[in-house]
Amino acid sequence: IAGITQAPTSQILAAGRRMTLRCTQDMRHNAMYWYRQDLGLGLRLIHYSNTAGTTGKGEVPDGYSVSRANTDDFPLTLASAVPSQTSVYFCASSRGGSVTGELFFGEGSRLTVL
Amino acid sequence: GQNIDQPTEMTATEGAIVQINCTYQTSGFNGLFWYQQHAGEAPTFLSYNVLDGLEEKGRFSSFLSRSKGYSYLLLKELQMKDSASYLCAVKDSNYQLIWGAGTKLIIKP
Repeated sequence: IAGITQAPTSQILAAGRRMTLRCTQDMRHNAMYWYRQDLGLGLRLIHYSNTAGTTGKGEVPDGYSVSRANTDDFPLTLASAVPSQTSVYFCASSRGGSVTGELFFGEGSRLTVL
Repeated sequence: GQNIDQPTEMTATEGAIVQINCTYQTSGFNGLFWYQQHAGEAPTFLSYNVLDGLEEKGRFSSFLSRSKGYSYLLLKELQMKDSASYLCAVKDSNYQLIWGAGTKLIIKP
């Protein structure tokens, strides 16, 4: 089934540990995004990539890094996790040239940092 | 600053009609989106408005007034499966999406 796959689905992590959330899409979309979703707040953009080989900072990039070595994969790394990074993380993609630019989301990764 | 406002929670009855409002203040405007998000699931695209007026898609309609910075999502013939959060998002002058916190819609039999 075409779409976006995220892993892990859920993870509990000790503070200070390094963690990589994986995201893979098979729709050949140019643009990819990482969002975090916290209760009472709108989705907040962490990092994005408009095309393979390029990345950019979103609204809340501190403590996170991304890479885009190819079109399909867009991993998000927490170098040294802190409790404030406890959240649900969504990876998304959009098709270049789309009139609406609608986003297609993965199922999310629930991360708890203790 | 940029801001999207929508009610936190609404309750409606199965079979009825409900209107979810969204007001926005953004630096520029390049379209407004509505997404549906069931609990524990990913958001899914519902509608897109870039011009003033009403866009109808089955039981769902979305309205936009750019001069008023206002949109609403209208859901008709409510079904229990419509219980979800509805997210309003605006694309600003830099084509970045600004998201509201979402409206949790509870449908009662």
